[in-house]
Amino acid sequence: QSVLTQPPSASGTPGQRVTISCSGSSSNVGTNYVYWYQQLPGTAPKLLIYRSNQRPSGVPDRFSGSKSGTSASLAISGLRSEDEADYYCASWDDSLRGVLFGGGTKLTVL
Amino acid sequence: EVQLVQSGAEVKKPGESLKISCKASGYTFARFWIGWVRQMPGKGLEWMGIIYPGDSHSTYSPSFQGQVTISANKSINTAYVQWSSLRASDTAMYYCARHSLVAGTIEIDYWGQGTLVTVSS
Repeated sequence: QSVLTQPPSASGTPGQRVTISCSGSSSNVGTNYVYWYQQLPGTAPKLLIYRSNQRPSGVPDRFSGSKSGTSASLAISGLRSEDEADYYCASWDDSLRGVLFGGGTKLTVL
Repeated sequence: EVQLVQSGAEVKKPGESLKISCKASGYTFARFWIGWVRQMPGKGLEWMGIIYPGDSHSTYSPSFQGQVTISANKSINTAYVQWSSLRASDTAMYYCARHSLVAGTIEIDYWGQGTLVTVSS
């Protein structure tokens, strides 16, 4: 069981806004940055959001991240069919001295 | 451009040894941590551990400590993960990933394409 908790699934229709949550603790999300990765079917994960709310170049501004206390969220606005993927949150854990991943959320575009 | 290119798929029998590789380019290899992430079939991502090629210091997740060995050769910009005795439960996709030190914590910013390891008798 992952220490960072994500809902296993999320869904939305094209054009909608969806959010995916990530819950941790004081030794990880509460203290350190949160990262979000997108994994399209059959491909390697790709960095989507870094340092809780920053977008790498090339990532559309439809994707945004936020963090409050020991929880973080990924928001996707203007949902598109190509957003259908698995999304993972991650954070450094000071107790583990390693990276923790959430269990992943499978996003379905209806 | 940062690139991490991993070695090809492997099919092994239980008890056999294996070493897979990840060749880095586009940055100073010795100055960034590099590590490995496991993804079992149909499952999520699991962080295995990392190594700093500059001094070969490594750290492992407790789940993988003693189960694998992570190493790096900075003269050829290549990182490795190896098993001395594979089990069927090691069947998974393995990703190498560059880790950057930021504000006292470590972030994963680039990923390799993955190496599929299948262990079956």
